[in-house]
Amino acid sequence: DADVTQTPRNRITKTGKRIMLECSQTKGHDRMYWYRQDPGLGLRLIYYSFDVKDINKGEISDGYSVSRQAQAKFSLSLESAIPNQTALYFCATSGPGRTQYFGPGTRLTVL
Amino acid sequence: AQSVTQLDSQVPVFEEAPVELRCNYSSSVSVYLFWYVQYPNQGLQLLLKYLSGSTLVKGINGFEAEFNKSQTSFHLRKPSVHISDTAEYFCAVSPPGDNFNKFYFGSGTKLNVKP
Repeated sequence: DADVTQTPRNRITKTGKRIMLECSQTKGHDRMYWYRQDPGLGLRLIYYSFDVKDINKGEISDGYSVSRQAQAKFSLSLESAIPNQTALYFCATSGPGRTQYFGPGTRLTVL
Repeated sequence: AQSVTQLDSQVPVFEEAPVELRCNYSSSVSVYLFWYVQYPNQGLQLLLKYLSGSTLVKGINGFEAEFNKSQTSFHLRKPSVHISDTAEYFCAVSPPGDNFNKFYFGSGTKLNVKP
């Protein structure tokens, strides 16, 4: 089984809808991250969390919120989705050795 | 914030030819350096990383990278590519002093290996 899982893998929604992307990990890592990937822009950090009591904004947090329900679970929400939030979203974890481990991604389309 | 530049957005190359993917970063202090690969419709996988020690780092699938502090570069190389190396490659840096282990990614280089 994968160490970092994301659900759903694909989602199409309409402008103004609320949507939640979920991430679970079995690596036992404290640090978790949400990124979005856009063509030609690489990955940009949305939010990151050190533990369940620690949530931090990344470089592009506007329009997003997160919840760290447990050490293993980190959810990303779009309260009112807009078309320019159409992107590929990745969850990642980090432990000893500084390496980040990525989930398979969620492809989100906002119509 | 850190800045990572991957000058080549696309690199076409023939099978069995050598390839170099360039990465430069902007930092006057030490950083940790990483290369990740993303195959079509998949997440990112670690190819190799430099934390300290030898400036020549060997990774998976025959890739290697060399850390050059004076030129603030971390170029990725492979002496002979295969069709299966077709993917997008991302360079990333992480400041050692950052307790959150934040990464700063480049914009990516798409490697297209032709038969």
